[in-house]
Amino acid sequence: GESVGLHLPTLSVQEGDNSIINCAYSNSASDYFIWYKQESGKGPQFIIDIRSNMDKRQGQRVTVLLNKTVKHLSLQIAATQPGDSAVYFCAEGRSGNTPLVFGKGTRLSVIA
Amino acid sequence: DAGVTQSPTHLIKTRGQQVTLRCSPISGHKSVSWYQQVLGQGPQFIFQYYEKEERGRGNFPDRFSARQFPNYSSELNVNALLLGDSALYLCASSSPRQADNSPLHFGNGTRLTVT
Repeated sequence: GESVGLHLPTLSVQEGDNSIINCAYSNSASDYFIWYKQESGKGPQFIIDIRSNMDKRQGQRVTVLLNKTVKHLSLQIAATQPGDSAVYFCAEGRSGNTPLVFGKGTRLSVIA
Repeated sequence: DAGVTQSPTHLIKTRGQQVTLRCSPISGHKSVSWYQQVLGQGPQFIFQYYEKEERGRGNFPDRFSARQFPNYSSELNVNALLLGDSALYLCASSSPRQADNSPLHFGNGTRLTVT
């Protein structure tokens, strides 16, 4: 398949380690945040979302942390697996179903 | 259940031509959005439709147009193609609750190459 992002920031982690992917968002009015995973040749796949009335939300092996003070979002992946290798995008939006604004993406490379 | 489906998967066009891309949302989803993803970048918003009405438009020229049909499927049209229109065009559907956000579910996109 095609490469989603050729010149993206890259995070390399050993299989089994935890991964932390960071994202700075731009709009202080944003109150909805979401993480997507995109594998080569595929569309973005929803991972987890969080609203601004929360600062932490957990899913299966993933945790999203939101720091509104510094406009920072992070995605933590526990026990990273080779299948987690992909490009990860954060996106921000506002209540009322405004369009999502995507960040530039981070490539996660898992070393077996 | 089928996810968002897009057709065609790949397309090659010549500068100046016109193209129509198609999208079928997840069953029950009434909102469809279109995004353009240039290689190496995140998706950029083009259009959003809900109940067949345009609800939002991104910073794209008038050469880009779209519509949504009664069955909630959608088409994206691009006229007078330029080389810079080469990209992955993504369709996403969602089932938004009133004044609330819900995740977009993306298809695998149409890869458009303009030569």
